[in-house]
Amino acid sequence: KAGVTQTPRYLIKTRGQQVTLSCSPISGHRSVSWYQQTPGQGLQFLFEYFSETQRNKGNFPGRFSGRQFSNSRSEMNVSTLELGDSALYLCASRISGGAFYEQYFGPGTRLTVT
Amino acid sequence: DQQVKQNSPSLSVQEGRISILNCDYTNSMFDYFLWYKKYPAEGPTFLISISSIKDKNEDGRFTVFLNKSAKHLSLHIVPSQPGDSAVYFCAASGDFGNEKLTFGTGTRLTIIP
Repeated sequence: KAGVTQTPRYLIKTRGQQVTLSCSPISGHRSVSWYQQTPGQGLQFLFEYFSETQRNKGNFPGRFSGRQFSNSRSEMNVSTLELGDSALYLCASRISGGAFYEQYFGPGTRLTVT
Repeated sequence: DQQVKQNSPSLSVQEGRISILNCDYTNSMFDYFLWYKKYPAEGPTFLISISSIKDKNEDGRFTVFLNKSAKHLSLHIVPSQPGDSAVYFCAASGDFGNEKLTFGTGTRLTIIP
């Protein structure tokens, strides 16, 4: 079974631009969560989508948004990029109602904002 | 406000010895705890978990201990192997199944051959 895939793997953007990251979950997984990993803060939860609806949300500004499509693929968008948005963005998928240990992470997208 | 803290950013242990990684939390509503392991250029992978109704859970070389009164959990790896070198994150949840995970900042474990 193919794992969670994220595209692109690396991205360089300029402050003020916007960016869209993509995540394809494991086949059959309907829940997708997004996390931001930075050296000082560890992994921070952004949001979780299930059946095209946002189910949970972390404490991030409105510049961070996401959506999920009917095939469970998810996108995350960050508008008006700031230098502090430079991070590794991870997505994770799990089956509907699955426990957290059944959550599988993708390799991440490394975003650098200059 | 860091609700889950891993105060040791790094730890070095001789191969064959015991590795002990620590994690503290502040939110008494957390009732489920997990440890994840992360290699460079890969996403975190689940290692072991423990419910707040238990104080110990063991899986092979890995044991997690939970001290609810101290709001402290630890991961013991024995014996440590070179392949255990990775970054370890502890995470906590307030509601098994649906709630978000709150992660610590991670501890980089290096096993010295």
